[in-house]
Amino acid sequence: AQSVTQLDSHVSVSEGTPVLLRCNYSSSYSPSLFWYVQHPNKGLQLLLKYTSAATLVKGINGFEAEFKKSETSFHLTKPSAHMSDAAEYFCVAFSSGTYKYIFGTGTRLKVLA
Amino acid sequence: KAGVTQTPRYLIKTRGQQVTLSCSPISGHRSVSWYQQTPGQGLQFLFEYFSETQRNKGNFPGRFSGRQFSNSRSEMNVSTLELGDSALYLCASSLVGTSGREETQYFGPGTRLLVL
Repeated sequence: AQSVTQLDSHVSVSEGTPVLLRCNYSSSYSPSLFWYVQHPNKGLQLLLKYTSAATLVKGINGFEAEFKKSETSFHLTKPSAHMSDAAEYFCVAFSSGTYKYIFGTGTRLKVLA
Repeated sequence: KAGVTQTPRYLIKTRGQQVTLSCSPISGHRSVSWYQQTPGQGLQFLFEYFSETQRNKGNFPGRFSGRQFSNSRSEMNVSTLELGDSALYLCASSLVGTSGREETQYFGPGTRLLVL
């Protein structure tokens, strides 16, 4: 069965330092993968998506993610954290066979001044 | 293009009551999914509708039900409310199953339900 694992439930970084949020997926094929961000009491906003085109995907607000099939990973990165990046981030895989979206458990990013 | 809209945004109910939440998808989207988000359980999938048919279902009791109309608008209903139903209910729409491989889900702002 397809699954998504976000390896860290909480990540703290200082403002201006790099961000790394880790996501691993299990699938017998290359799924479509997404990263969403959720600010407190808001809906989920799409950051970026991978759909088997380029393996390095650029998203909004300076975020990017690299699809690595050999490692079954889709980690989210940003060179320099900003206070406004503090939020919860979700890694999601889409199963085209069942039309199901598989969510990771989320990573809460804290940005320290 | 207008995004996904959900009404009402906030709701307070008492135990035993029932509630209906509404979701209007992005124009052209025929897939609508519902999620429940709580601090304890995180984000959990409720069900998904496509062309007025329930295509996928999560692991929730029968008190949770939904439907989709011919214009793709969707409603979810929770009967006999319990304290544990207090949550943020999120709706998302997509083109999944409609055309091409555009699978991106777009989320609404959510409905915050408080059960007293």
